[in-house]
Amino acid sequence: GQQLNQSPQSMFIQEGEDVSMNCTSSSIFNTWLWYKQDPGEGPVLLIALYKAGELTSNGRLTAQFGITRKDSFLNISASIPSDVGIYFCAGHPIQGAQKLVFGQGTRLTINP
Amino acid sequence: DAGITQSPRHKVTETGTPVTLRCHQTENHRYMYWYRQDPGHGLRLIHYSYGVKDTDKGEVSDGYSVSRSKTEDFLLTLESATSSQTSVYFCAISRTEMNTEAFFGQGTRLTVV
Repeated sequence: GQQLNQSPQSMFIQEGEDVSMNCTSSSIFNTWLWYKQDPGEGPVLLIALYKAGELTSNGRLTAQFGITRKDSFLNISASIPSDVGIYFCAGHPIQGAQKLVFGQGTRLTINP
Repeated sequence: DAGITQSPRHKVTETGTPVTLRCHQTENHRYMYWYRQDPGHGLRLIHYSYGVKDTDKGEVSDGYSVSRSKTEDFLLTLESATSSQTSVYFCAISRTEMNTEAFFGQGTRLTVV
C-alpha cells in the first residue's frame, strides 16, 4: 500500500528555534495534511494542502505541497513550549483516494 | 468538539475473546476510518467506510472486521483478540475524501492479556 516516509523521527531543539520536517512518498498524492497530536489525545489538523506547489500558513506554521505531488514539508518558526508533541503528515493518494494514510510521525521536544 | 465519540475509552481483555469498539458521530459525515497507533508506526489504517454498508480494507486489516449499518456508527470488531492487537485505536470522520476536516476521536486503549 501507499507509504509516507516522514523525517526526522524526533527533534530536540531550543525554544525559539525554527523547525523543519518533511514527508515523502513513492506515489502521487491528491492532498497533503499535517496534524499534531498531544499526549492522550487524538490528532488535530493543522494545515491542509490541495494543489501542487501550494504554500499555506497557519500562524507560525507553514506547509508546502511539493511540485511532484510526492512530498510535503512543514516549518514551525520561533518554537515555543506548547509546540511540543508529535507531528504527522497524512494524505489521500491518487490511487485509492478514499483512504487517508499517515506518516510515522516526528516527535518534537523543546528545551526551554 | 467534532461530535465524535469512541467507546469504551479503555479496555482490558483476554486473548481469544471477541471485542467490539464503537465510533459514534453526530456530524452526518460520509467517511469514517479506524486506525491503530503503535510506537514507531504512526497511525495505520485498519478499515474505512465511505457510506452505510460500504467498507473497505486498509493496510492492517487482518484480524479485524467492521460494520456500518447506519451513518452515525462504525464498529470495529476483533473476532478473537491477540496480544499483537494491544494498541490505541482511533476513529476519524470526514465529510468527503477530499475534505480537510478529518476529525479524530479521543482514542480507545485496548490491552489484550
